[in-house]
Amino acid sequence: DSGVTQTPKHLITATGQRVTLRCSPRSGDLSVYWYQQSLDQGLQFLIQYYNGEERAKGNILERFSAQQFPDLHSELNLSSLELGDSALYFCASSVVALGANVLTFGAGSRLTVL
Amino acid sequence: TQLLEQSPQFLSIQEGENLTVYCNSSSVFSSLQWYRQEPGEGPVLLVTVVTGGEVKKLKRLTFQFGDARKDSSLHITAAQPGDTGLYLCAAVNNAGNMLTFGGGTRLMVKP
Repeated sequence: DSGVTQTPKHLITATGQRVTLRCSPRSGDLSVYWYQQSLDQGLQFLIQYYNGEERAKGNILERFSAQQFPDLHSELNLSSLELGDSALYFCASSVVALGANVLTFGAGSRLTVL
Repeated sequence: TQLLEQSPQFLSIQEGENLTVYCNSSSVFSSLQWYRQEPGEGPVLLVTVVTGGEVKKLKRLTFQFGDARKDSSLHITAAQPGDTGLYLCAAVNNAGNMLTFGGGTRLMVKP
């Protein structure tokens, strides 16, 4: 158990629908990152939050949004889902070591869009 | 085009063999990290390399950061089935707050 909790573990839904993925970071970690992992594109950075505020943005579609709440848990909202959104979505939280963020990943949420 | 190119993409070897996987870029990084990901789980950090030319060892795994801090390699000695997994390198930006991952090397070690 990495200490980063993601729910749900698996999710199957239809095109056009909306889903919410939830992440609880490790105790004491203020940063939360979201990554998308698909077979053909590897691990793609979506967005980072630090203590409730957006810190960095990657290749996140406009149909996707995220937020981090006062208790530091985060949610990733995916709307108007398309077949190509099927992927593993990982959340990670971080501490700083050797001058760089060290990410601890959750086990992921596997999204299947039919 | 990937910022970080990992090679090979796939590698299947027998238990006991040695192997090296590579992570290359045209950019210079402040540091680089290696992660291993097993099926059904998230990536787990193996090592962070910071200094050009740095070599770090983790049991049978040897990590090297290139002198120019643009590339890195991971060498596994006497591979075991437990080494099977996806090996990812990740470059750290100068601010130290963002990681960009390579496409990974999928390793299978057969008993």
